[in-house]
Amino acid sequence: GAVVSQHPSWVICKSGTSVKIECRSLDFQATTMFWYRQFPKQSLMLMATSNEGSKATYEQGVEKDKFLINHASLTLSTLTVTSAHPEDSSFYICSARFSGANVLTFGAGSRLTVL
Amino acid sequence: AQRVTQPEKLLSVFKGAPVELKCNYSYSGSPELFWYVQYSRQRLQLLLRHISRESIKGFTADLNKGETSFHLKKPFAQEEDSAMYYCALLTGGGNKLTFGTGTQLKVEL
Repeated sequence: GAVVSQHPSWVICKSGTSVKIECRSLDFQATTMFWYRQFPKQSLMLMATSNEGSKATYEQGVEKDKFLINHASLTLSTLTVTSAHPEDSSFYICSARFSGANVLTFGAGSRLTVL
Repeated sequence: AQRVTQPEKLLSVFKGAPVELKCNYSYSGSPELFWYVQYSRQRLQLLLRHISRESIKGFTADLNKGETSFHLKKPFAQEEDSAMYYCALLTGGGNKLTFGTGTQLKVEL
């Protein structure tokens, strides 16, 4: 079945640094990838939707300059948290959808801790 | 705007008892609804979708447009059903999946 790989699964960084999280679809071409954020004991909140080769569409309230999303190929999307601060500490989850399907496959998530 | 409501944060039942996880939605268009499950230390995975009208692991869910509900049911709970369950609504031409807040199901022996 479809598999989405996310890396790293856990990252700790200093305040002010940037962190990149990768999301790969391993055995299918993902025309659309989604990035979610999940706070402890809360639901998943959609941050942005990205289609291969075009700019990401951000949800209201999500700073696009803060959370840079690149979807350069059909199997890879990256989320870069720029100038990270402690309030950016969260669980970031990507998901992917291949053309013609309305089912999302989720990555295992990346836990970001900003000191 | 679309919204998904799961009123129960935690549902605790005994093994063998019936289970019903509630989900209500708000959306002006034609809804496409899903149930996702997250077992301990595992990633989120699809459990079932309303258009498939199938039973997965003994779970079923029927879309009730009149009540705008998509409750998840299972007649006899098993210990391995203990997990976090999320109801989700797909809109925007398939480009936006909105999740409910989730219900933690705990099946006790």
